[in-house]
Amino acid sequence: AQRVTQPEKLLSVFKGAPVELKCNYSYSGSPELFWYVQYSRQRLQLLLRHISRESIKGFTADLNKGETSFHLKKPFAQEEDSAMYYCALRTYSGGSNYKLTFGKGTLLTVNP
Amino acid sequence: NAGVTQTPKFQVLKTGQSMTLQCAQDMNHNSMYWYRQDPGMGLRLIYYSASEGTTDKGEVPNGYNVSRLNKREFSLRLESAAPSQTSVYFCASYPTGQGVYEQYFGPGTRLTVT
Repeated sequence: AQRVTQPEKLLSVFKGAPVELKCNYSYSGSPELFWYVQYSRQRLQLLLRHISRESIKGFTADLNKGETSFHLKKPFAQEEDSAMYYCALRTYSGGSNYKLTFGKGTLLTVNP
Repeated sequence: NAGVTQTPKFQVLKTGQSMTLQCAQDMNHNSMYWYRQDPGMGLRLIYYSASEGTTDKGEVPNGYNVSRLNKREFSLRLESAAPSQTSVYFCASYPTGQGVYEQYFGPGTRLTVT
């Protein structure tokens, strides 16, 4: 069965410091990984996905199949980055449908 | 487009009471999902519906039932609420087809069972 592990429940950094949110996965198939973010009092929204290899709001994430990791990184954290971050693994559930398995989330606080 | 909407936003129930959480999406998505979000537990899938007329259990289905009323609407029912069902419930929808990948979430329903 698939599993997503986010080892840090809480992460606190100062503004301008680098930040790395860790994510490890376990899946026998070819993984498709995502980072979702939930800002205070807002709904969950997609931040980025591994296939696109893009940078969104200064965040990047690289899929490392050897280490089964998909860590989220930003070189200089901003106060507006404070939010709950979820790593998610997409798996095929029959037909053309998919399910997401989420990690437990990391609450990032960026202090002034 | 309103996206994914949920009603109610807040609800307090007594143990044993029943209620239905409503979810609707106007994006013509085939798949819809119900999650619960608990501190330290992340989001856990309760039930999902790959298409109109089909539903399947997720990770934590016990104590819940669902109905996919039509393509737009997917409701979650608690027949006899328990304090362990105190949580924030999120509905989500997902388009199907090549190149699609983002799940769209509703604003959530905060449920307290006393």
